[in-house]
Amino acid sequence: DTAVSQTPKYLVTQMGNDKSIKCEQNLGHDTMYWYKQDSKKFLKIMFSYNNKELIINETVPNRFSPKSPDKAHLNLHINSLELGDSAVYFCASRIMDRVEETQYFGPGTRLLVL
Amino acid sequence: RKEVEQDPGPFNVPEGATVAFNCTYSNSASQSFFWYRQDCRKEPKLLMSVYSSGNEDGRFTAQLNRASQYISLLIRDSKLSDSATYLCVVGNAGNNRKLIWGLGTSLAVNP
Repeated sequence: DTAVSQTPKYLVTQMGNDKSIKCEQNLGHDTMYWYKQDSKKFLKIMFSYNNKELIINETVPNRFSPKSPDKAHLNLHINSLELGDSAVYFCASRIMDRVEETQYFGPGTRLLVL
Repeated sequence: RKEVEQDPGPFNVPEGATVAFNCTYSNSASQSFFWYRQDCRKEPKLLMSVYSSGNEDGRFTAQLNRASQYISLLIRDSKLSDSATYLCVVGNAGNNRKLIWGLGTSLAVNP
């Protein structure tokens, strides 16, 4: 059973398009994250939601808009895609108040903007 | 200064070798510490948490030195399957408990 799943796994699109990536976790966690990992392999947090409330919003262009319809889902919509958006986007989840703060990651969405 | 710094490597070692990775962090108020492992084209996975007293899991030993703001990971008797990138991760205090990720140290274990 997949704990954290993301769709699509691969996304190739043209500059200027709008696209969405979906994430779902079946672990019963209350906190979910979006990370971006670029070609230099740096894993950078973008957003985090706790119980559908935005708690982390890093310096990310307005073109990126997360949406959490419920605790188990966190989607990422990207408007007007640019070349520099090409990266691997990872979703992750955890339980906020647990001492062991392990984050569980999805398999990643590989986005290529042409 | 970066919030979490690691030597990017790559470390190339023969099978059976002992290898050590170091990591420093800048926020003295950091509360939690981890080593994650990331295989090529895969997601990061928790290798082990790092406790103040140091902890061991099989061939892996993690140490934390709060005074020097320094974390280490020691891998003994390295296997080919240990080849991966090892990410040092530090958890901040505060309500959002954000994790700060190092750039990772690349390890290649050679036959």
